[in-house]
Amino acid sequence: EIVLTQSPGTLSLSPGERATLSCRASQSVSNNFLAWYQQKPGQTPRLLISGASSRATGIPDRFSGSGSGTDFTLTISRLEPEDFAVFYCQQYGTSPFTFGPGTKVDF
Amino acid sequence: EVQLVESGGGLVKSGGSLRLSCAASGFTSSDAQVNWMRQAPGKGLEWVGHINSKSAGETLNYAAPVKGRFTISRDDLKNTVYLQMNSLRTEDTAVYYCDVRGNWGQGTLVTVSS
Repeated sequence: EIVLTQSPGTLSLSPGERATLSCRASQSVSNNFLAWYQQKPGQTPRLLISGASSRATGIPDRFSGSGSGTDFTLTISRLEPEDFAVFYCQQYGTSPFTFGPGTKVDF
Repeated sequence: EVQLVESGGGLVKSGGSLRLSCAASGFTSSDAQVNWMRQAPGKGLEWVGHINSKSAGETLNYAAPVKGRFTISRDDLKNTVYLQMNSLRTEDTAVYYCDVRGNWGQGTLVTVSS
């Protein structure tokens, strides 16, 4: 099973700042099938990025994904108030698919 | 537009069974890989299992904690995917979601009491 580690656990930032979230895999993610999700309290997770770097439909361009192999990054260029949430990475290249433990981005 | 609606959740005693449904619209479920995920109260996301598309042989895969207890199946006429959950444990308490290509339903809550 591929274990995903996310860092930091919590990121305390202010609106307008840049957020950099890391996701590291215990082994190479097949075809870079790595997704990022955003989840706000009481809401369903929302897909932001798939295939490591492809933004999902309707996702603002301040969200970007990068990386390959075992190291991946989600960058939010300028935080908006509505961006504060928990972010999860997920690998879907090798079964069992796995999620990271999440990074909370708060004020 | 892809839409998924989960149903069938509820309260069940440990050792009991429950069948969840994921009704799909806006696409043909047999053309897609359909995943089940879950989220225990206050915890992170966990992948439960999936059924692959017909073209991919409809293969099934499960996470270790549910293998042998949970079964995923599909009814093409109803365009619905099911998650049959047997031998339920208190640690199976969670909101269960189905997902296709990053589109998630609203989830259904399963509570397993001791």
